[in-house]
Amino acid sequence: TQLLEQSPQFLSIQEGENLTVYCNSSSVFSSLQWYRQEPGEGPVLLVTVVTGGEVKKLKRLTFQFGDARKDSSLHITAAQPGDTGLYLCAGAGWSDYKLSFGAGTTVTVRA
Amino acid sequence: DADVTQTPRNRITKTGKRIMLECSQTKGHDRMYWYRQDPGLGLRLIYYSFDVKDINKGEISDGYSVSRQAQAKFSLSLESAIPNQTALYFCATSEGRPNQPQHFGDGTRLSIL
Repeated sequence: TQLLEQSPQFLSIQEGENLTVYCNSSSVFSSLQWYRQEPGEGPVLLVTVVTGGEVKKLKRLTFQFGDARKDSSLHITAAQPGDTGLYLCAGAGWSDYKLSFGAGTTVTVRA
Repeated sequence: DADVTQTPRNRITKTGKRIMLECSQTKGHDRMYWYRQDPGLGLRLIYYSFDVKDINKGEISDGYSVSRQAQAKFSLSLESAIPNQTALYFCATSEGRPNQPQHFGDGTRLSIL
């Protein structure tokens, strides 16, 4: 059983549309990280959210950490083909900071 | 040069063979990790090491062993490979402070026939 549930598993949209990816858990995390992975490469960190209720923006990407520190969302505005990839959320433990990963959301943005 | 280097990048082998996957890093991080990635399951932790003398089992360590030869090197072994160990394997490193990212290699695609 996955500690972190991501939804949807797959998302295919047209260039210029918006999308949201969700990451939910029954566990409370010290922080939540989002990674993006492209074919043939390892995941690369996009952002870390630390405080409950925190919102971070990275150009067209907006990340939110839930008030109870159990869930997070990633919103992409006006998606571009370069946003295509596998998006992974990961929750950090309180004492050793080990990460538990969600199963990932595969995003495809069609030109 | 990559900060986290995994070798080999691809490997095809037969059931019952012993296989070693190697990872080296130039980031100077104390913590190193081995994960496997399967479609629909995300990244699952196999083993991790917080320093040279520290080795810990992750959530799916059965059938695997590791060796931390130096701060910069962490290898993963499959003593007797079986087909359900076919997967993409990633090594990662991190600092030991809160909220730090993990830095991943580009993975080893392992197929066991």
